Amino acid sequence: NFMLTQPHSVSESPGKTVTISCTRSSGSIASNYVQWYQQRPGSSPTTVIYEDNQRPSGVPDRFSGSIDSSSNSASLTISGLKTEDEADYYCQSYDSSAFVVFGGGTKLTVL
Amino acid sequence: QVQLVQSGAEVKKPGASVKVSCKASGYTFTSYGISWVRQAPGQGLEWMGWISAYNGNTNYAQKLQGRVTMTTDTSTSTAYMELRSLRSDDTAVYYCARVILPVEFDYWGQGTLVTVSS
Repeated sequence: NFMLTQPHSVSESPGKTVTISCTRSSGSIASNYVQWYQQRPGSSPTTVIYEDNQRPSGVPDRFSGSIDSSSNSASLTISGLKTEDEADYYCQSYDSSAFVVFGGGTKLTVL
Repeated sequence: QVQLVQSGAEVKKPGASVKVSCKASGYTFTSYGISWVRQAPGQGLEWMGWISAYNGNTNYAQKLQGRVTMTTDTSTSTAYMELRSLRSDDTAVYYCARVILPVEFDYWGQGTLVTVSS
């Protein structure tokens, strides 16, 4: 099976833009959809991006997702950072047998 | 509104079994799958497997094959996850999540803490 690799942590100032990467170890990143989940301390995960670049209703358009076949990676970009965006973010995909893979998670600090 | 409500925290001894429930409401239970995801203290999310509430078909993570069983009771719209031969490294918060195919999770339960300690 493949792995999804994320940076352990990123930090940025309020109002700025941050991008979190998620690199697939084998197989094409474009072959299966990528989702992104936000998890605040003590809470269950919630979806911020599904199917590579779709935003659920209620998620601000400051959140966007993309994939890049040249680097075999997906990215979550958050613009106009707010302190409330501080959380852990996980990418998730699956293989042709519907086995699910999560990235290791990225801790976003907004300082 | 869609809700997944899980059973309460459990404390188990090594070697024992635990069964966690996840009661769904607000949607047609058999139209979606239910997946189970766990998170050890301070660690990331680990997918355990999923079950189709339509036909009971299951898909388990290789690491847990032989120790985990996922079932559903369509009469009560409840999904269950049983984990056997518990070890200390099974201590985690266990989440159920509604599955949209291919495989993404749109609603999550509140989590159930399972502590394995002698």
